[in-house]
Formats: sequence, structure tokens, C-alpha cells
Amino acid sequence: NAGVTQTPKFRVLKTGQSMTLLCAQDMNHEYMYWYRQDPGMGLRLIHYSVGEGTTAKGEVPDGYNVSRLKKQNFLLGLESAAPSQTSVYFCASSYSVGQKVQETQYFGPGTRLLVL
Amino acid sequence: EDQVTQSPEALRLQEGESSSLNCSYTVSGLRGLFWYRQDPGKGPEFLFTLYSAGEEKEKERLKATLTKKESFLHITAPKPEDSATYLCAVQDLGTSGSRLTFGEGTQLTVNP
Repeated sequence: NAGVTQTPKFRVLKTGQSMTLLCAQDMNHEYMYWYRQDPGMGLRLIHYSVGEGTTAKGEVPDGYNVSRLKKQNFLLGLESAAPSQTSVYFCASSYSVGQKVQETQYFGPGTRLLVL
Repeated sequence: EDQVTQSPEALRLQEGESSSLNCSYTVSGLRGLFWYRQDPGKGPEFLFTLYSAGEEKEKERLKATLTKKESFLHITAPKPEDSATYLCAVQDLGTSGSRLTFGEGTQLTVNP
């Protein structure tokens, strides 16, 4: 199993350009997440999905959109990139086994995005 | 609002010098506390989950403990390969979708 994979690994954008980050997992996990990691800020949740066809906002959703058309894929879109979106983006996934069991999140290797 | 504070921000140890990292948290109801290790340029790697006060878990030179307000990651006789950033995260009973709130991490450097 590859686990969680992310595409691309690195990207440079100009302000106003758009792009889509792809996250794929082969563990049949229900839940998927997009985080951004910035120095001094820790990991912050952008959007998440509890199943195919469903998405929800996290802590810092502004400027991003997501889609979960297939269970194994979770896409993060930037419609009009801004320098403030320069960051490292991590995707994660987890499975649900009921209300009393805590689900571990498994992370991808990250996408480094630079917006000029 | 859930909060997680890790200390110290950075820690330098000599090989074999044991120490502890701290994670203080505030949640309305703790569903689980997670420790991750993150190497430079990589994604976080899962280490432990703790569910209730008094619980302890061990893995090689690492031991995680949990109280009602904080968690400690004890590192016994560390080696240079233990150098990494250690992240703590909490999962609140009241949040949906298994959301985690992360601390900023402790950057550990172990010198040979």
C-alpha cells in the first residue's frame, strides 16, 4: 500500500493563478483532511470530508475549495492564489470505527506551494 | 475552543541525555491525545494515542503519559536519529469528523 500520496510535491504560482492539489489514499478510509503548516502556527485544518460527496470547513477555509467525488481522492483548489497561501499543505486520512474509538490520522508527504 | 501548547519550542540534548517534552491542552472533553513525529520535509508520522488520564504507552526510547491537563513525551537515552519535531494533537468529543487540534511542536536535536 502506498498510503497517502500527494501531487504535486512542489509548485510555484503567481498571484491570481489557480491550481488544484490532489490527495489520494489506498487504505479505504472514510475521512480525509487538508491542513496547512506555517512556521509558528502549527498545522491548521482547512477543510475535511467525512465521506464521498461530503465536505466541511475547518479552521482556515477562506480562499480554498475542496471536492470529494471519489472515496479515495480529496482535491484542494485555489481559485486565485495569494502570497498568504504560501505554505506546506498536508493531506491526511483516517477511518471510523464508532463513537468510542479514536481514529488515527495518517499523513501524506506534503505539497510545498510558493505564491509570488 | 480547543488549545494545545507545547514546550519547550526547541530542545538540544546530548546522546544519552534523557528528557521530557510537555503538551498542555484545553478541551471540553478529551476523546484522544495524539503524538506525532515529523522529520524535515516530510509529513507527520503517528507515534501514540492516549485516551484517558493515567494511561502510558511506550515505543523504543519513547514513553508517552497523560494527565487531565497535560501529556509528557519522555525520551530515554536518546540517539541522534531521534532528532525531529514532535507534535501533540487533541481530539475533542464535541467535534465532528475526527478533527484534530495541533500544537506548534517541539524541535528536538540530539547531538552525538
